[in-house]
Amino acid sequence: DVKVTQSSRYLVKRTGEKVFLECVQDMDHENMFWYRQDPGLGLRLIYFSYDVKMKEKGDIPEGYSVSREKKERFSLILESASTNQTSMYLCASSSNYGYTFGSGTRLTVV
Amino acid sequence: AQSVTQLGSHVSVSEGALVLLRCNYSSSVPPYLFWYVQYPNQGLQLLLKYTSAATLVKGINGFEAEFKKSETSFHLTKPSAHMSDAAEYFCAVSDIRDDKIIFGKGTRLHILP
Repeated sequence: DVKVTQSSRYLVKRTGEKVFLECVQDMDHENMFWYRQDPGLGLRLIYFSYDVKMKEKGDIPEGYSVSREKKERFSLILESASTNQTSMYLCASSSNYGYTFGSGTRLTVV
Repeated sequence: AQSVTQLGSHVSVSEGALVLLRCNYSSSVPPYLFWYVQYPNQGLQLLLKYTSAATLVKGINGFEAEFKKSETSFHLTKPSAHMSDAAEYFCAVSDIRDDKIIFGKGTRLHILP
């Protein structure tokens, strides 16, 4: 069964910490995406990547960066976590509009 | 810019009744349209997608949606609701030039016994 795996289901971090959210896909997809999901706001695109070492900003990139050193792995980085980054983070990979989502990481910044 | 508007953040229907979740889109180019479902504590699962073939699209779990260009709508329906349909539903749009999907804010469907 094809999968997108997010390394942590729940995370609690302190304000100011550097946070890494990892996402790995086993479908050989070119495209990968990071979204955050907040009640009443739906899913908002943070960053996406169409190829290794390639990245593009989505709608809300402020406070985030990404890394894609290998095709199967797309990491979201919070350089200095803040409480307003408490959210559910969803990773997805796709090929020709066949999106597959991970189960999400619920991040709490205290 | 593309956008999606879902009408109603919460919808309640009785078990066995018709499910209708409304979605209107805005796109300057022919769109691809999607409906996703999210069950509690899970990621999103694709229900169905429209990619410029038949305007009536059938998906999983008995759901279907009709693309109406004149109304810029892509409403999701199911003839008879089941308790297991209780979840959050997201409408989404993309254009044919890239693989980037923009989501609506979601509609939580409640099924009443």
